[in-house]
Order: sequence, then structure tokens, then C-alpha cells
Amino acid sequence: NAGVTQTPKFQVLKTGQSMTLQCAQDMNHEYMSWYRQDPGMGLRLIHYSVGAGITDQGEVPNGYNVSRSTTEDFPLRLLSAAPSQTSVYFCASSYPGTSGKDEQFFGPGTRLTVL
Amino acid sequence: LAKTTQPISMDSYEGQEVNITCSHNNIATNDYITWYQQFPSQGPRFIIQGYKTKVTNEVASLFIPADRKSSTLSLPRVSLSDTAVYYCLVGDLVGGYQKVTFGIGTKLQVIP
Repeated sequence: NAGVTQTPKFQVLKTGQSMTLQCAQDMNHEYMSWYRQDPGMGLRLIHYSVGAGITDQGEVPNGYNVSRSTTEDFPLRLLSAAPSQTSVYFCASSYPGTSGKDEQFFGPGTRLTVL
Repeated sequence: LAKTTQPISMDSYEGQEVNITCSHNNIATNDYITWYQQFPSQGPRFIIQGYKTKVTNEVASLFIPADRKSSTLSLPRVSLSDTAVYYCLVGDLVGGYQKVTFGIGTKLQVIP
């Protein structure tokens, strides 16, 4: 299994440009999430999905859109990039919580710079 | 969501046991305690999870007192490769998506 994969690894955008960060998982996980991590800070939840066709907002959703057409893929779209969106973006996937172990599997991250 | 408080940083010499304590005074009855590890330029990685008393795996131990208002992650005989940021999370795993919050974590520096 490849686990959680993210593309691209690095990206530089100009203000106002749009782009899509790709995330895919091959573990048949129902839950997928997008986080951003800024220097010296923890991870903040952007959007999440509990299954194909179902998405919801996290802590910092403004400026980002998501969709979940398949179990495997969960792309994150920036419609009009702003310098404040310069960050490292992590995608994660997990099984639904049970009374046992609940573990999120994270991708390697995408480092985005908006000029 | 229960808020967690943990030290911002810790230093330890190689070969020593490291204990990182996390405070979560308003933990709810259904909440579990989870710890993640993050190396520079990588995504977080699950270490251990528990509800009460003690949990041990091949990497670490997790000690949770009876009142569950705190927990301690114990790393036995740390090496330089254990230098990382460690996050303590608290959340309900039973049913529905859990919007966990990653604080700034504890930056552990292992010294030769």
C-alpha cells in the first residue's frame, strides 16, 4: 500500500491564481481531512469528509473548497490564492472511530508559497 | 473538545527515559487520549492511544491516572532519532468524525 499520497510536493503561486492540491489514499478509509500547518503552530483543520459525497468545514475553511467524488480522492482547491495561504498542507485519512484504536494516517505534505 | 496543555519544549540526553505530561482538565467521559509524533518536513505519525490506566506498545507507554485529567507519554531510552514534536490530542472516538485539535505540541530535543 502506498498509504496517503499528496501532489505536488512544492508549489509556488502568484496572488489570485488557482490550483488544486491532490490527495489520494489506498486504504479504503472513509474519513479524509485537510490540515494546514504554519511555522511554530500546530495543525489546523480546513475541511474534512466522512465519505464519498459528504464534506464539511473545519476550523479554517475560508478560501478553500473540497469535494469527495470517490473514497480514494480528496482534492483541495484554492480558487484565488492569497499570501496568507502560504503554508504546509497535510492530508490525512482514517477509519471511523470505534471503541478501539483510531489512527489518522498523514501524507507527506505539500509546501505552498503564494507570492 | 477538551483542551490540552503540554510543555513547549524539552531536552534530554541520549539513553534517558523521557516523560512528557499533558494536562486535559475538561476531558469528557467518552474521550480517548492520543499521541502523535512529527519529524521536520513530515506529516504526524500515530504513537499511542489510551482511555485509562496504562497502555504500552513497541514504541512508548502511556500512563493515565484514575481522574484522567492528565496523561504522560513515556519514551524509554531515547535516541537522537526521537528528536521531534509530540502532540497530545483528546477526543471522542465513538461515532462520527472527531475534529481533533493539534496544539503546538512539545518539541523534544535529544542531546548526544
